[in-house]
Amino acid sequence: DGGITQSPKYLFRKEGQNVTLSCEQNLNHDAMYWYRQDPGQGLRLIYYSQIVNDFQKGDIAEGYSVSREKKESFPLTVTSAQKNPTAFYLCASSVAAGDIQYFGAGTRLSVL
Amino acid sequence: QQPVQSPQAVILREGEDAVINCSSSKALYSVHWYRQKHGEAPVFLMILLKGGEQKGHEKISASFNEKKQQSSLYLTASQLSYSGTYFCGTDSGSARQLTFGSGTQLTVLP
Repeated sequence: DGGITQSPKYLFRKEGQNVTLSCEQNLNHDAMYWYRQDPGQGLRLIYYSQIVNDFQKGDIAEGYSVSREKKESFPLTVTSAQKNPTAFYLCASSVAAGDIQYFGAGTRLSVL
Repeated sequence: QQPVQSPQAVILREGEDAVINCSSSKALYSVHWYRQKHGEAPVFLMILLKGGEQKGHEKISASFNEKKQQSSLYLTASQLSYSGTYFCGTDSGSARQLTFGSGTQLTVLP
């Protein structure tokens, strides 16, 4: 079945540690996105990529980094510079930028 | 700038209707609607494009007033499964990315 797979489902980060969230899609979509969702809030865009080897900062990119070396993969690293990383992280993809977005099941990140 | 959704929350009985509104201060190219159940991923409902094209589920209807930069989602004869948080995402057409509203929490009671 085609879809978007995020892993892990739950992740814990220690002080000063970088952690990487995985996002893989087999939908052959060009565009991929990372969002952060805080309790009771909407989705805020962290980074997006319209094509392989290219990505742009979203509204809240500070403390995060991404790569897009393969079409199907768009990992997100939460660096130690992100002082408040506890949130629900959602990855999405679309055929092209601006088209319908399909979401993964999310990763819930907490700080130890 | 984030679109404004109203109401913030609504409680219905099964079979009743509801309207959720989304308003932007920017000119819009498209409006997307998603529903998210607690702890789950958002699910696509409807996309409305400048010029009148719409794509979405048969049982969901929505409108897009380009001049007023507003969209409304119409939920008729609500079912228990309609419960969740509804988000609108707006695309101004420049960067082709979505900016989401803070959501409308819909609860349908038996």
